Amino acid sequence: DQQVKQNSPSLSVQEGRISILNCDYTNSMFDYFLWYKKYPAEGPTFLISISSIKDKNEDGRFTVFLNKSAKHLSLHIVPSQPGDSAVYFCAARSNTGKLIFGQGTTLQVKP
Amino acid sequence: DAGITQSPRHKVTETGTPVTLRCHQTENHRYMYWYRQDPGHGLRLIHYSYGVKDTDKGEVSDGYSVSRSKTEDFLLTLESATSSQTSVYFCAISERLAGAYEQYFGPGTRLTVT
Repeated sequence: DQQVKQNSPSLSVQEGRISILNCDYTNSMFDYFLWYKKYPAEGPTFLISISSIKDKNEDGRFTVFLNKSAKHLSLHIVPSQPGDSAVYFCAARSNTGKLIFGQGTTLQVKP
Repeated sequence: DAGITQSPRHKVTETGTPVTLRCHQTENHRYMYWYRQDPGHGLRLIHYSYGVKDTDKGEVSDGYSVSRSKTEDFLLTLESATSSQTSVYFCAISERLAGAYEQYFGPGTRLTVT
C-alpha cells in the first residue's frame, strides 16, 4: 500500500517555464516532507524540505508547497533549466523517523 | 558532498550465490540505511542501523541481512541471491532521526542476478 504517491511518471517542460511536480500522501501523521533529485548513475541528492507546520518553503528557484487538508505537496521550479532534467523523488518522514519515498517523476527540460 | 562510498559499484552474480555490498562513511553519522530502487517503486528501505551492532528491519527486509561492526561500515548481505533482488542499491546516512534533517546517499551499486 503506497503511502506516498507521485502519479506522474514523467513531465516535459520548455526551458524558462515553470515545472510543477506533484506528490500525494495518505498518512496524516507524517511530520516532514523532502524532495530529492537524482541524476543517472548517481545517488539521490537532497533538494528542499518542509515541515508539516508550514505551507511553503522557498530556496532560490525551488519552492515546495504543502496542502495538509488535501494531503498534497508540490515542487515548483522557476525558471526551469536543462540541468534540472532528472528524476525527482518526494519523501515523507513517518513517526518512526524513517523516510517513505514516492515512485519518482522524470523531468525533462527542453532547451 | 557527504563522504559515502559503496563497493562494488557494479556486480553480476548467479542465482543462489551469496553477495555482500559495503557502505563506508567518513562523516561519523550515527544512522545508516540500505535502500533498493526499482522502476515503479521508488526507493524502499531494506534495513537500517542506529548504532554499532544496532540494526532493524525496513519495508523489504526478506532475503537480506545487515551488520555494522564499526561506525563507518554498514554491510548488506544477500545470503542466496535471487533474480528478484536485481536492483540498484543505495546506502544513506543521517546525523539524527528527529528534527530537521536529511539523509545523504551514496552513489549506488547496480546488482544483476542471473
